[in-house]
Amino acid sequence: GEDVEQSLFLSVREGDSSVINCTYTDSSSTYLYWYKQEPGAGLQLLTYIFSNMDMKQDQRLTVLLNKKDKHLSLRIADTQTGDSAIYFCAERMGSGNTGKLIFGQGTTLQVKP
Amino acid sequence: EPEVTQTPSHQVTQMGQEVILRCVPISNHLYFYWYRQILGQKVEFLVSFYNNEISEKSEIFDDQFSVERPDGSNFTLKIRSTKLEDSAMYFCASTGQGPGAFFGQGTRLTVV
Repeated sequence: GEDVEQSLFLSVREGDSSVINCTYTDSSSTYLYWYKQEPGAGLQLLTYIFSNMDMKQDQRLTVLLNKKDKHLSLRIADTQTGDSAIYFCAERMGSGNTGKLIFGQGTTLQVKP
Repeated sequence: EPEVTQTPSHQVTQMGQEVILRCVPISNHLYFYWYRQILGQKVEFLVSFYNNEISEKSEIFDDQFSVERPDGSNFTLKIRSTKLEDSAMYFCASTGQGPGAFFGQGTRLTVV
């Protein structure tokens, strides 16, 4: 079935790296996504990775994909207090780039000064 | 930077009333979606829309729900007779040629 799982909570100190993990079930997914949601706000697309890639780096963000284990992670380097938010991973169903997204339950990142 | 816009940001309605949630997707996008997030739960897919018809819908999207693209810019979600359990944040999203799926700020629907 369609399922995406994340741990619920992560707390780090400012300046440390944060690693948020996600597992998914559909091996045919072609794209996997990370979104950020700040309190009372919408879903901000942070980054996405194509399923034939192992890694994607975008400034402070690094996405690692282990397709064999269906495991996705988001590393935030030099975490800042402004990174405090809920982070959602999502998989795109189907073989193209237009299918529905299935979301995890979100990981709340708390950054302590 | 282009963005998806949704109105209103918050809608309070009485049970049994009809509501229309409005969205303006990014202008050159072709694929449109509605999702909802009940407080404390996952973001759930409701419906996708392409070429003026529904591409896919979830079990949640029953006969009480409908979508429409009444003109070249708006994309609406109508709930005919709202129930208490329809209270949620409703997100509109759109996708263009690339794989990015862009979401609006959401409409918080409260059914009383």
